[in-house]
Amino acid sequence: GQQVMQIPQYQHVQEGEDFTTYCNSSTTLSNIQWYKQRPGGHPVFLIQLVKSGEVKKQKRLTFQFGEAKKNSSLHITATQTTDVGTYFCAGRKIIQGAQKLVFGQGTRLTINP
Amino acid sequence: DAGVTQSPTHLIKTRGQQVTLRCSPKSGHDTVSWYQQALGQGPQFIFQYYEEEERQRGNFPDRFSGHQFPNYSSELNVNALLLGDSALYLCASSLLVVLRAGELFFGEGSRLTVL
Repeated sequence: GQQVMQIPQYQHVQEGEDFTTYCNSSTTLSNIQWYKQRPGGHPVFLIQLVKSGEVKKQKRLTFQFGEAKKNSSLHITATQTTDVGTYFCAGRKIIQGAQKLVFGQGTRLTINP
Repeated sequence: DAGVTQSPTHLIKTRGQQVTLRCSPKSGHDTVSWYQQALGQGPQFIFQYYEEEERQRGNFPDRFSGHQFPNYSSELNVNALLLGDSALYLCASSLLVVLRAGELFFGEGSRLTVL
């Protein structure tokens, strides 16, 4: 019940193809954040979703938060080589009476130019 | 405006040794959280410090301990190192008042290798 599951673990695409990663929790999340970690780098905040059914866009990136606030997705349209990295979702949930941020395992995106 | 800084960037230890990692939060931030990131995995929450006290803790043994200083900087100590402690240790800073809703600012991390 503490985990946030993220799929797929790896995704390799041709440049210009779309990419989607999915995040799922067995319990309701207060909010969900998405981070990007470039190879050899550290996680960098992308966005936060709070409301049920919320959809946010950042240029070619579209983030969705499920109606039940248990799942989320990140979709990248027409990938570019600069999109390479690992994308993590992080769900905020109540664990043992305290609100904690739980990271998914990440989806590593590689791109063939 | 300096971001989150961590030291050292890399270090190698042997089993049974002790290690201390350091973190200076982003200017204006008062809360420091430590994460362990094993290769190919997501960051795992170790603990969080605010007002020089440990406020929350993840599922890590007592070998992992920390400290926060009056200037908000923090240390992570790991005793009796095991091979499985090899990982990237990330420090993340934030403001407590927005912690429940706001983003984390991560440092570059300290990569620990235990031989």
